[in-house]
Amino acid sequence: AQTVTQSQPEMSVQEAETVTLSCTYDTSESDYYLFWYKQPPSRQMILVIRQEAYKQQNATENRFSVNFQKAAKSFSLKISDSQLGDAAMYFCAYRSAIVGANSKLTFGKGITLSVRP
Amino acid sequence: GAVVSQHPSWVICKSGTSVKIECRSLDFQATTMFWYRQFPKQSLMLMATSNEGSKATYEQGVEKDKFLINHASLTLSTLTVTSAHPEDSSFYICSASGRVRSQPQHFGDGTRLSIL
Repeated sequence: AQTVTQSQPEMSVQEAETVTLSCTYDTSESDYYLFWYKQPPSRQMILVIRQEAYKQQNATENRFSVNFQKAAKSFSLKISDSQLGDAAMYFCAYRSAIVGANSKLTFGKGITLSVRP
Repeated sequence: GAVVSQHPSWVICKSGTSVKIECRSLDFQATTMFWYRQFPKQSLMLMATSNEGSKATYEQGVEKDKFLINHASLTLSTLTVTSAHPEDSSFYICSASGRVRSQPQHFGDGTRLSIL
C-alpha cells in the first residue's frame, strides 16, 4: 500500500518570502501521479500542481513549483513571493497510474500554512 | 475546467433522520466517484469508491449500512447517511474522476452535516 507523509503540521512564512512544504511517499509502483492540493478556510479543495512520475522535469505553475526526487521519493512544494491568500491547509497526494489499480488519492496529513503580513 | 456540484452545502437535522447528499459532475462523465469525510484540521479520509453502475467499495471500518452510496449514472452519485446520530456530524466531500487516469480528480465544495 502507498503512504504519504507530511511531517510538519504547521509552518509560517512572511509575506513576499519563499516557503517550502515537504512531502515524502512510499510506493513500489513505477508509474504514478503526485499532487498538491490547497484547502483554504472555505474548505474547498483546490489543485495547486501536479507531477507525473515518468517526467523528470519539475512541474511549475506560476509562483508554485515542486522539487520531485523520484529516487528519494520526495515531492516538496515551493511557494515563491508568498501572499496572504496562500494561507491554507496544504495536502500532498498520490495516485497510481497503473491500469486496473484503484484510482483513489492517498493523502498526507496536511500542513497548515500561515502567512504573516 | 471540470466542475463538480455538491448539494446541500450545509444541513442541520435531528438525530434519527436520514440525510442524502448529492454529487454531480456538470460537464464530464464521472466513471468513478469518491466520498471523503473530514474532521477539523485533519486530512480527508476516504470512505468509499463508487463506479458507475456498480456497488460501492467501502474502506475498512466504514459501515456500508450506515453510509449508503449510489452511483446510478455517469453524472450523479449520492451518499445517504441513514439514521444519523451526533457522531456522524462531519464535513463530507465528494470527488469525481473521468476515464482518463492522467486527469486529476475534481472535488465538490463539501457538505457540512450537523446532527442535533
